[in-house]
Amino acid sequence: EVQLVESGGGLEQPGGSLRLSCAASGFTFGDFGMNWVRQAPGKGLEWIAYFSSRGDVTYYADSVKGRFTISRDNAKNSLYLQMNNLRAEDTALYYCVRNEDVGVLDSWGQGVLVTVSS
Amino acid sequence: EIVLTQSPATLSLSPGERATLSCRASQRISSCLVWHQQKPGQAPRLLIYHVSNRATGIPDRFSGSGSGTDFTLTISSLEPEDFATYYCQQCTTWPLTFGGGTKVEIK
Repeated sequence: EVQLVESGGGLEQPGGSLRLSCAASGFTFGDFGMNWVRQAPGKGLEWIAYFSSRGDVTYYADSVKGRFTISRDNAKNSLYLQMNNLRAEDTALYYCVRNEDVGVLDSWGQGVLVTVSS
Repeated sequence: EIVLTQSPATLSLSPGERATLSCRASQRISSCLVWHQQKPGQAPRLLIYHVSNRATGIPDRFSGSGSGTDFTLTISSLEPEDFATYYCQQCTTWPLTFGGGTKVEIK
């Protein structure tokens, strides 16, 4: 069974930093591209970052480009999101999501809450 | 980026009724159109990929169709567990984008 477990969320002040982690199990992590998708309270879904299985391609949404960095460690079956210069509008539930086929988001974690507030 | 517009925003139906959800793209997309279901307090889950293929374990009352810029998710006969919010998502180009969602609520 595919499992994706996010951690590292919490309350941070505007301008601060947080690092999210996603621990993957139940599949060969290195064979799949991975994504971060977020959902602001009461709002819809927003894709924010992708890291290819081979580690040669990353994509970012304009809303986070230059502030967030996605990375992965295939030896540790883990995905990360380094979030810098946080803004109030980054407040959301952040999901770690597997890519079955290019862009087909087939397995979701339960999410981790990030709150940016002074 | 490709903008996806879902309609209606809310659909009020009774169990046993047929639900028809629409997703319109701002430009022509290939067959890479996906539907996700999200229940309150839960993560989304994949329902349909590549327009019309049901994901593992998804019952056959769910079906997807469409091409070009217009796509449809149909639930043939609503079960109590189907009342949820549904999002379409395109995977033709980066950035991946989602529609705003359609909430299917009990009438």
